[in-house]
Amino acid sequence: KNEVEQSPQNLTAQEGEFITINCSYSVGISALHWLQQHPGGGIVSLFMLSSGKKKHGRLIATINIQEKHSSLHITASHPRDSAVYICAVRGADGLTFGKGTHLIIQP
Amino acid sequence: EPEVTQTPSHQVTQMGQEVILRCVPISNHLYFYWYRQILGQKVEFLVSFYNNEISEKSEIFDDQFSVERPDGSNFTLKIRSTKLEDSAMYFCASSEWGLAAEQYFGPGTRLTVT
Repeated sequence: KNEVEQSPQNLTAQEGEFITINCSYSVGISALHWLQQHPGGGIVSLFMLSSGKKKHGRLIATINIQEKHSSLHITASHPRDSAVYICAVRGADGLTFGKGTHLIIQP
Repeated sequence: EPEVTQTPSHQVTQMGQEVILRCVPISNHLYFYWYRQILGQKVEFLVSFYNNEISEKSEIFDDQFSVERPDGSNFTLKIRSTKLEDSAMYFCASSEWGLAAEQYFGPGTRLTVT
């Protein structure tokens, strides 16, 4: 069974700061998802990665398959980025989710 | 933009009752999923569904649960004889292809079992 660990659990930063959220997993996977959960509970898919790096606007996601590690970066952070960021991995036993990183960006 | 919809947004039921949670996936998507999130805990995978049958399910998805695609648009999760611990937010999602593909989530149904 895959274990998915995210760090940090909580992060408070000032507007404009560069944010990094980390995800590590214990067993090989075929894909990794980064999701954003808004305060109201809704979930939005940000990225799906199987290798390398993807960029969308101010968000960048990278994955290192050999090290079983992925990072989500937010450049020029803004208060509207405040949310829970969730890493989920696709392994042999379906999708396994991390506990999420609760991000607060203060103006 | 196409979106996944779920009804109802909030369902309150008494312990032992049956509930059906409904989802309308994005129309050209072929894979459908149910997840749950108990308050304050992480999201958990329940089941994936493709070509009118379950393709994967987790340990949580026991005989108490069933899924169905009763027509060309709806995808339902039935919970028989609900228990207090079934109280959670239930999310439906869909994707164009398999579990590794990008998934689009519905807004969720909050189930409260009293």
